[in-house]
Amino acid sequence: EPEVTQTPSHQVTQMGQEVILRCVPISNHLYFYWYRQILGQKVEFLVSFYNNEISEKSEIFDDQFSVERPDGSNFTLKIRSTKLEDSAMYFCASSVNSHYEQYFGPGTRLTVT
Amino acid sequence: AQSVTQPDIHITVSEGASLELRCNYSYGATPYLFWYVQSPGQGLQLLLKYFSGDTLVQGIKGFEAEFKRSQSSFNLRKPSVHWSDAAEYFCAVGNFNKFYFGSGTKLNVKP
Repeated sequence: EPEVTQTPSHQVTQMGQEVILRCVPISNHLYFYWYRQILGQKVEFLVSFYNNEISEKSEIFDDQFSVERPDGSNFTLKIRSTKLEDSAMYFCASSVNSHYEQYFGPGTRLTVT
Repeated sequence: AQSVTQPDIHITVSEGASLELRCNYSYGATPYLFWYVQSPGQGLQLLLKYFSGDTLVQGIKGFEAEFKRSQSSFNLRKPSVHWSDAAEYFCAVGNFNKFYFGSGTKLNVKP
């Protein structure tokens, strides 16, 4: 069964550094999403992406965040200057179209020290 | 404003007992509703979804959920819980571009 994959599974970085989280969505899916889950808290929407542009973003998704689909398979989330409060599990998701359920990857745990 | 409330943070049930996890939502339009399960260290797995039609939906692993528009609820049920069901369960409401998740209910299963 096809699945969403994410790399790395765990990333440790120092405050102020840039990180790129990578995701490979399911191959025939057209809509892509990033969510984050701070430890012990709910899953929060960050951004949705379709047709090479952002469809919607939350107030969390400020100027330090960016997303990109650099090729036909990868979908990346970049955090330009990480803060301690960016420590969280980041989930990528994809869906075949906007009317269907989203399939989630296993997540990348980001630890900012 | 859109929101999802899961009033039970932790629930403990005995193996073989029935289960109901509550979910209430606030949403401005006709909602798309989902239940996801998250095992420790794992991602989110879709259990079931409601888009339209029959308000009682069946999902994987023997779970079902009922949409009640009048109560703005989408409660998850299972007639007989197995030890492997111990996990955290998230209710979500969404539109075409984003989901709103509840804060989750952690299910503990006693032998």
